[in-house]
Amino acid sequence: SSDLTQDPAVSVALGQTVRITCQGDSLRSYYATWYQQKPGRAPLLVIYDKNNRPSGIPDRFSGSNSGNTASLTITGAQAEDEADYYCSCRDNNANHWLFGGGTKLTVL
Amino acid sequence: QVQLQESGPGLVKPSETLSLSCTVSGGSITSDYWSWIRQTPGSGLEWIGYLSYTGRTNYHPSLKSRVTISADTSKNQFSLNLNSVTAADTAVYYCVRLTIVGAISAFDYWGQGTLVTVSS
Repeated sequence: SSDLTQDPAVSVALGQTVRITCQGDSLRSYYATWYQQKPGRAPLLVIYDKNNRPSGIPDRFSGSNSGNTASLTITGAQAEDEADYYCSCRDNNANHWLFGGGTKLTVL
Repeated sequence: QVQLQESGPGLVKPSETLSLSCTVSGGSITSDYWSWIRQTPGSGLEWIGYLSYTGRTNYHPSLKSRVTISADTSKNQFSLNLNSVTAADTAVYYCVRLTIVGAISAFDYWGQGTLVTVSS
């Protein structure tokens, strides 16, 4: 399959924990990467490989993978985490890359 | 710190060729992989293709017949040509570094993006 599926929108109360999920057959073969995008800005890599964060990404962001589902968890969500989040991975049938449709996170 | 900057026309007529360039600083296009990704309001992010440090290219199947990604190593730039454009090609186009280490890959550095509108 060449699809990655995300919930369109998720909300979380300030300081609480939220999980954003991504489903797709290719996730059985490759780990997801996660990108944060704020309005008018380019996407920013926040999680790659099993659960690695680039320099400068707060440790409240974490990733996990199980079967055909990948998850991005924000533990203690902050107001500045309000953004769109996209998952991505390599297609397991071809040497190209897929993106999910994105999840809009609202911090209440 | 790797930085990427897109340049090119913001308006292209239908059936013509969209041409963008990306200037890389803080890194060399003779290493790593260099991609183009576009974003439309209705369709989200779409990977277009990459150019590898060996000069090999790889394109999204749905765009393969219309896309060319090439390099100018003397300027440390890489370029995107997309021909026979239609309104559906209207999008923000990003140039991006793709890091691949075995089975692990990530789009780790992004340009700011440039809006290209296809209209007569």
